[in-house]
Amino acid sequence: KQEVTQIPAALSVPEGENLVLNCSFTDSAIYNLQWFRQDPGKGLTSLLLIQSSQREQTSGRLNASLDKSSGRSTLYIAASQPGDSATYLCAVGTGNQFYFGTGTSLTVIP
Amino acid sequence: DTAVSQTPKYLVTQMGNDKSIKCEQNLGHDTMYWYKQDSKKFLKIMFSYNNKELIINETVPNRFSPKSPDKAHLNLHINSLELGDSAVYFCASSHLDGGSPLHFGNGTRLTVT
Repeated sequence: KQEVTQIPAALSVPEGENLVLNCSFTDSAIYNLQWFRQDPGKGLTSLLLIQSSQREQTSGRLNASLDKSSGRSTLYIAASQPGDSATYLCAVGTGNQFYFGTGTSLTVIP
Repeated sequence: DTAVSQTPKYLVTQMGNDKSIKCEQNLGHDTMYWYKQDSKKFLKIMFSYNNKELIINETVPNRFSPKSPDKAHLNLHINSLELGDSAVYFCASSHLDGGSPLHFGNGTRLTVT
């Protein structure tokens, strides 16, 4: 069974800093990997989707990479802003199911 | 236009009651899901339907019964509610082609008193 882990569980950085969030998974037989953002009391907003054949995806200040062989993905956030404060979740898609990590709670301090 | 919509947003009820949560998607997806998010924010799959057929049924008490009248709707009915059922329930949808992103509704916060 696929297990997804996110490290660190919580992260606090000053505004303007670049940061990396990590996601690891145990089974490399995946179809895709998706990064989400969740604000307190809200639903999940999709940030980036990486197909299993891709190495990375970029959207604005966000860049997600995927290394299937090592079972790892990273989400890079450039020039962090207070509005980036949220919980970030990665989800591994295996065809008929998505397995979620435990999330990283990010706080960007003004 | 809302892509995945679920109602109600909040649900407060007493133990022993029966309640339903509705979900609809207008994305043309063939697969819909119910996830439960516990107090520690962990998201766990409960059910998945593809073209109205149940394809995933995780270890969930049989008090929980999903119903899919068509592939755009997946409702969740809960019988004999218990305190431990308090959580946020999310509906989601995607295409079952292995490459499709997952789209979420805004969640239903269920509180059982």
